[in-house]
Amino acid sequence: KNEVEQSPQNLTAQEGEFITINCSYSVGISALHWLQQHPGGGIVSLFMLSSGKKKHGRLIATINIQEKHSSLHITASHPRDSAVYICAVLNYGGSQGNLIFGKGTKLSVKP
Amino acid sequence: KAGVTQTPRYLIKTRGQQVTLSCSPISGHRSVSWYQQTPGQGLQFLFEYFSETQRNKGNFPGRFSGRQFSNSRSEMNVSTLELGDSALYLCASSLRGKEYEQYFGPGTRLTVT
Repeated sequence: KNEVEQSPQNLTAQEGEFITINCSYSVGISALHWLQQHPGGGIVSLFMLSSGKKKHGRLIATINIQEKHSSLHITASHPRDSAVYICAVLNYGGSQGNLIFGKGTKLSVKP
Repeated sequence: KAGVTQTPRYLIKTRGQQVTLSCSPISGHRSVSWYQQTPGQGLQFLFEYFSETQRNKGNFPGRFSGRQFSNSRSEMNVSTLELGDSALYLCASSLRGKEYEQYFGPGTRLTVT
């Protein structure tokens, strides 16, 4: 079993829809990242969370440390949101700089 | 402040050759981590350097090596390339004590033929 599980693997939405991507992890963590990767490969860090909730524009990330679960929400989705979204955790007490990644969720937003 | 830069961006090599990839971290960042991304395995940790010392290494064969220079720039080397080494290689930098907050470079796409 992977230490970081994401769901769904693939997601197709219509423009304007509310989108949720989930991430569950099985290790103790000191931080969780939500990353965005567009075709071509470059990765952008959207959020870094250790507790609670963060909001940036139409993006909202939440984390429940007790349940070892995080969600990424996109409100009023747009075709430019089409990308792969990756959850990554930094294992608490583990080696520094060693992120453990989920397999990613491929999001396609249709106009 | 300039972001993390990686060179080259694209590279084509033949099986058996070796390759060196370079990563320049954000100014002031002394920790550099390297990751490999393949369609089958996703993103996997290769190694992490801090102050010219390798602090941690992922589960990769000895053909994969790296180093860090006094200016924090890092290189990774893959010897005796195999077809399966075709991947996107990403580096990320962070501040000392803030390794949880990593900033990624654009990656180097390596194709082995």
